Amino acid sequence: LAKTTQPISMDSYEGQEVNITCSHNNIATNDYITWYQQFPSQGPRFIIQGYKTKVTNEVASLFIPADRKSSTLSLPRVSLSDTAVYYCLVGDKGTGRRALTFGSGTRLQVQP
Amino acid sequence: NAGVTQTPKFQVLKTGQSMTLQCAQDMNHNSMYWYRQDPGMGLRLIYYSASEGTTDKGEVPNGYNVSRLNKREFSLRLESAAPSQTSVYFCASSEGGTGNTIYFGEGSWLTVV
Repeated sequence: LAKTTQPISMDSYEGQEVNITCSHNNIATNDYITWYQQFPSQGPRFIIQGYKTKVTNEVASLFIPADRKSSTLSLPRVSLSDTAVYYCLVGDKGTGRRALTFGSGTRLQVQP
Repeated sequence: NAGVTQTPKFQVLKTGQSMTLQCAQDMNHNSMYWYRQDPGMGLRLIYYSASEGTTDKGEVPNGYNVSRLNKREFSLRLESAAPSQTSVYFCASSEGGTGNTIYFGEGSWLTVV
């Protein structure tokens, strides 16, 4: 199983850009990288997904280097409502037989 | 658009009692999952079902059983509840085909006393 490593926690202030890096040294060829956000008492929700280079959507950007052994979630101009736990997940796009395992996540605290 | 629905939302059990958590998804997904999340911790996979008719163990399967009743439904059973199983349980589903975007239910809070 592809295992991920993230910082346990990060602090930021409103309006700043936040970058959270995830290491996944044993990522497989077919694996996609997906980031989820979880608020207290809620299930995680999808933020962004990528395979290589850069992906951007309305809430975040995902940077993936050529070797794909790490990825960086970038949240532009965070607000208090971005305070949450962020999970990096690596898994294949095939049959789904490979279990999709979450790491411990990064707890982001945004201060006013 | 219901997505992933799980019941019950809250449950208190006595040690040794049994119960079943129900989960249903309306997105025609092939794969379904059960995770548990202890306070302040990440999610741990209990069991998953890659497709209808198949189930496989995840990281922490001991003390649990699952049934993929049909494509829509995936239940989790605790045969003899223990205090160590006090947790929040999340059901989830994904297409299982292209990409691995997982859609989660709202969680079931289980307390075993």
